Amino acid sequence: DADVTQTPRNRITKTGKRIMLECSQTKGHDRMYWYRQDPGLGLRLIYYSFDVKDINKGEISDGYSVSRQAQAKFSLSLESAIPNQTALYFCATSDPRTSYGYTFGSGTRLTVV
Amino acid sequence: KNEVEQSPQNLTAQEGEFITINCSYSVGISALHWLQQHPGGGIVSLFMLSSGKKKHGRLIATINIQEKHSSLHITASHPRDSAVYICAVRVGNTPLVFGKGTRLSVIA
Repeated sequence: DADVTQTPRNRITKTGKRIMLECSQTKGHDRMYWYRQDPGLGLRLIYYSFDVKDINKGEISDGYSVSRQAQAKFSLSLESAIPNQTALYFCATSDPRTSYGYTFGSGTRLTVV
Repeated sequence: KNEVEQSPQNLTAQEGEFITINCSYSVGISALHWLQQHPGGGIVSLFMLSSGKKKHGRLIATINIQEKHSSLHITASHPRDSAVYICAVRVGNTPLVFGKGTRLSVIA
């Protein structure tokens, strides 16, 4: 099994629908992140969490919300999806005890039509 | 705001060529990461460095803290090196800030 698992891998949804992307990890890392990747723009930070009780907005949090259900689980929700949220979404983990090396999930390709 | 610039954006090389990808950043950092993203989308960490030079196989990463610049070199390039190479920086305890990536194609 992968260290960081994202579900679903691909999703097509309609404008206005609520959708949740899930991330779970077996690394035992406290820190988890959600990034969005668009062609030509690189990875941009949506939300991050340094432990179960900590949630922080990133650069582009508008239109998104997150939930840290446990150390191992960090979910990203789009309350009302819009077409410009079509992108590749990555979950990642890191740990200061291992010099902040990042481990990424395989990504979720989301299309909003 | 910490900005990370990579050059070139796209690079095509013949198999066997020596390749250099550059990364510059605007503020003092704690560490710089180089990552690789293959066409399937997965991202893997190649190097994490805060000074000097690191080598792994045919890959070499260097950093000059004073000049706020890092380079990733690939020796004896091979078609399987074709990927997007991403530079990212960390300042203190904060999340990584990423460059836009360099798309490398190595032709046999």
